[in-house]
Parts: sequence; C-alpha cells; structure tokens
Amino acid sequence: QITLKESGPALVKPTQTLTLTCTFSGFSVSTTGAAVAWLRQPPGESLQWLAIVYWNDDKRYTPSLRNRITITKDTSRDQVVLTLTNADPVDTGTYFCAHSGVSSHDFWGPGILVTVSS
Amino acid sequence: IQLTQSPSFLSASVGDRVTITCRASQGINTYLAWYHQKPGKAPSLLIYAASSLHNGVSSRFSASGSATEFTLKISNLQPEDAGSYYCQQTKSFPLTFGGGTKVEIK
Repeated sequence: QITLKESGPALVKPTQTLTLTCTFSGFSVSTTGAAVAWLRQPPGESLQWLAIVYWNDDKRYTPSLRNRITITKDTSRDQVVLTLTNADPVDTGTYFCAHSGVSSHDFWGPGILVTVSS
Repeated sequence: IQLTQSPSFLSASVGDRVTITCRASQGINTYLAWYHQKPGKAPSLLIYAASSLHNGVSSRFSASGSATEFTLKISNLQPEDAGSYYCQQTKSFPLTFGGGTKVEIK
C-alpha cells in the first residue's frame, strides 16, 4: 500500500526559504521506474505541477519556478524534499506530493497548506 | 501545452449522465489523465492514458479521446461524484492541468 505525507511549516515570511518534506511508504524511490512529484494548488484555483525526481536522480522543473525550486530525494529515509527560495505571497497554497507512474500521479499525500505572509 | 476544460461548472441530478471536455493546445496523443478532487482533499486519479480506468475506480467513469480532444463521462451520477474534475497532460514537461470543472449535485 503506497502512502505519502507532506510536512513543513504552515507559515513562512516573504523572502524566506520554504522547505517541504514528503515522507512515503509502500515503494522505494530507488526502484527502477519510481518517481515522486510535487504539485501545488492556490486557494480556489487549479493545480500546478512543480517538479519531479526519478529513481535515477533525473529531475524536471516547471520553467516558471526553475530558478527558485529544488527537488531532492533521500532514498535511505524514503523522503523527497522540495525547497522554494525567496517565498512570495503568491506561493500561498496547498502543496501535494505524489507517487508518479509513467502517465499519471496515482497516489497523493493529503497536502499541506502553506501561507506566505509577514 | 495548454488544456481548456468545459464546462467550468455543471449542475446535475442523481442518476444523470454528464460529460466533461478537455482540449489541448497541441496534439498529445493519449497522454492525458483525469482526476477528481473533493473539497479539502487531495485529487484522486480516475483515468490514465486517456481511457484506462485506474484500479478501484467505478465503471461509471469512462473516458476517450486522442490528439487534442478528450472527454470524461460519468454515468448514473452519484452524490459522492460531487467536486472538481481536472485533466492533465503528461506528454511533455512542464506537465499542465486544465482549469477544472466543478460538478454540483442538485
């Protein structure tokens, strides 16, 4: 059974760095074909895909945030971390991590609401 | 790749059959997924590869399409089907979502 859960701060100040951790079970991110993605959803809006890391450490990022976000995996801890620098109020929203197959995100964490405000 | 969903809102009764459309700005073959999101919850996968039903998803859901035109159909609409539906293209990075369709049960 695959499960994921996001953790991190609920509130960050503008210009600070936001670090979110996805802790998962039921699979290993070192297994061929495995991948974990981060997505977010501003209040009342649609979903935005942010980044993905694959079993072979290949990484992809959304271009609009490429200079601000980093995704890393820790195979020994079964965790994937997303770092977002220079936080801005427009980064406010619910952040999700998801196990990703070839053509979809098949298992999601419950999400974590992050507010960027002074 | 931009995805345009229609309608953005629909209201239907229990037992109805509803259709949601997703149009891609360029051809994406069958690299399309559909998700359902209930208020305050994470999205859940319904359909992948344009028409394949995810494990455990009710057969009341069906989908079709390729290239730029895709549809999701829900037959015999149930109260638990309320929420928002999103399409997502997985053809090329950055992966993108449609604007969503909110389904209300009358």
